[in-house]
Amino acid sequence: QLQLQESGPGLVKPSETLSLTCTVSGGSISSSSYYWGWIRQPPGKGLEWIGSIYYSGSTYYNPSLKSRVTISVDTSKNQFSLKLSSVTAADTAVYYCARLPGTIFGVVIIYYYMDVWGKGTTVTVSS
Amino acid sequence: QSALTQPASVSGSPGQSITISCTGTSSDVGGYNYVSWYQQHPGKAPKLMIYDVSNRPSGVSNRFSGSKSGNTASLTISGLQAEDEADYYCSSYTSSSTPVFGGGTKLTVL
Repeated sequence: QLQLQESGPGLVKPSETLSLTCTVSGGSISSSSYYWGWIRQPPGKGLEWIGSIYYSGSTYYNPSLKSRVTISVDTSKNQFSLKLSSVTAADTAVYYCARLPGTIFGVVIIYYYMDVWGKGTTVTVSS
Repeated sequence: QSALTQPASVSGSPGQSITISCTGTSSDVGGYNYVSWYQQHPGKAPKLMIYDVSNRPSGVSNRFSGSKSGNTASLTISGLQAEDEADYYCSSYTSSSTPVFGGGTKLTVL
């Protein structure tokens, strides 16, 4: 059974870089059928998609966060990671990692929904 | 990309049916048959309930159904049960090749 687990510091100082890792177990991150993504949820608020990555390194980012986000993949460790730079209090949230299955759209495959989620990790931005 | 619009809250009594709407634009909900719905209980991760507008993943009750008309997608829960009380989020594929979420709807079972 596929499981995803987020890990990383729970407290980050303003202006620094938030770094999280998602470890995939029970399946291979190198599967050609999936993208892998990050989603966050500020306290008491809704979900926000951050970005997604394919095992080859191809990425999609939320336009509103693109200038500060880097998502990378390490297939040897079956992990993918999130870096968010220049953080402020507004980046305080629960961060989830998730799997995105492919959907056929004409002659291409798109990845837009998340079928397996990690439990989430809380990151607080504070000095 | 702007968030999709959902009602902040809906409520219903056990056994009743409720519908949650999700309104977007022709660049997202209206332009593609790629809408998904998620259920989130307090302190838990979201759970996929519907994908591709109306498909249910294995293990999801057939009391949950999805549909779409124009720029608005809908999630209907029939035979409402106490355990259905949760937050529900819609999401859509967009013309930017990225997904966007709705603001979320709190379902209260009276």
